[in-house]
Amino acid sequence: SQQGEEDPQALSIQEGENATMNCSYKTSINNLQWYRQNSGRGLVHLILIRSNEREKHSGRLRVTLDTSKKSSSLLITASRAADTASYFCATQHIFGTGTRLKVLA
Amino acid sequence: DTEVTQTPKHLVMGMTNKKSLKCEQHMGHRAMYWYKQKAKKPPELMFVYSYEKLSINESVPSRFSPECPNSSLLNLHLHALQPEDSALYLCASSQPRTGSNQPQHFGDGTRLSIL
Repeated sequence: SQQGEEDPQALSIQEGENATMNCSYKTSINNLQWYRQNSGRGLVHLILIRSNEREKHSGRLRVTLDTSKKSSSLLITASRAADTASYFCATQHIFGTGTRLKVLA
Repeated sequence: DTEVTQTPKHLVMGMTNKKSLKCEQHMGHRAMYWYKQKAKKPPELMFVYSYEKLSINESVPSRFSPECPNSSLLNLHLHALQPEDSALYLCASSQPRTGSNQPQHFGDGTRLSIL
């Protein structure tokens, strides 16, 4: 399978805590993207990190990329109940297995 | 509200029916995509259109037939589907760029149930 792997598969945290999810991929990439999907909705693009970048920030999101390990991580700081969703990494139209995040109020 | 509009939101059809899913975007994007998503799974790419021409077909069965009538519209024609085809069908669009995938804008999908 070309699919990337994400871990954890599911994560439950308290509001205000940080959430970290990891993604591993198999092929060389130009960039890697992270998406969020709320239940029953389409995916929303969060952030794109290029292969020559190691870290990128957008609001409460921090993404890292390690091309030598073919891995990326997404950190959501000061989580909110509204962050409850599934999060997917994607490379070349291929989506990772996803992390289901639940933030408890 | 999303900028990619998919209709219908829900569709129930029998295995002998013919139906079509529709997708529309007005962002000037020239790449459009169909994905299939089963419950608790990631989206799986089915087709990619670039400049209204089919550029990727991920070995999708012929009972799914895509069509791109113009740069804003994408259809997926369905015929003789199987119960395992029940899923959420997502449409997306982006700017095409050779060798580099661009951020995609997704619709909210059509939830398809095959009886």
